[in-house]
Amino acid sequence: DVHLVESGGGLVQPGGSLRLSCAASDVTFSSYWMSWVRQAPGKGLEWVATIKQDSSDTYYVDSVKGRFSISRDNAKNLLFLQMTSPRVEDTAMYYCARARDACFDYWGQGTLVTVSS
Amino acid sequence: DIVMTQSPLSLPVTPGEPASISCRSSQSLLDSNGYISLAWYLQRPGQSPQLLIYLGSNRASGVPDRFSGSGSGTDFTLKISRVEAEDVGVYYCMQGLQSPITFGLGTRLEIK
Repeated sequence: DVHLVESGGGLVQPGGSLRLSCAASDVTFSSYWMSWVRQAPGKGLEWVATIKQDSSDTYYVDSVKGRFSISRDNAKNLLFLQMTSPRVEDTAMYYCARARDACFDYWGQGTLVTVSS
Repeated sequence: DIVMTQSPLSLPVTPGEPASISCRSSQSLLDSNGYISLAWYLQRPGQSPQLLIYLGSNRASGVPDRFSGSGSGTDFTLKISRVEAEDVGVYYCMQGLQSPITFGLGTRLEIK
């Protein structure tokens, strides 16, 4: 089985910055697209960003473009989400997920980000 | 953006009875290779989402065969042949055809 473990969440002030990490146990990490999906408290799921295997392509939901950056380190099986200028509305549980066959087949347990002054 | 519309939003079911959830997309989810880019997930209370169905009708590894997915084009259905207590949670459909990837609002299944 594939295990994804997120870390780096916490309380951040609006306009600050935070970097989320996701460690993958899968030795084939570099073979898959990876994504971040978030869930605001009591709300549904929202896709945030996706990165190609070799980092040559990245995609973002409009609401985070220019503020968030997805990246990866295939040598260390790590996925990142750099959050700059976060807003109150970015408060959510952030999940990393492995992408294949137009779906997310493995999800982490999530890391909670709270944006508040 | 592709809009995903689920119904019903709430679904009370008696154990042992069947259940059905509908999902409609604002555009066809048929890709250029003939695959349906539609997935279903279950999020149990306090847990991360788990994949149930991918490419419209393929059960994910370890998913009981009482779960089935069907549909084509823009109309899709998730069926549970006999609901069990462990099926409680929120079910989401998702389109993976194009960016932005979008989810339905979710259907909350509860046991009567």
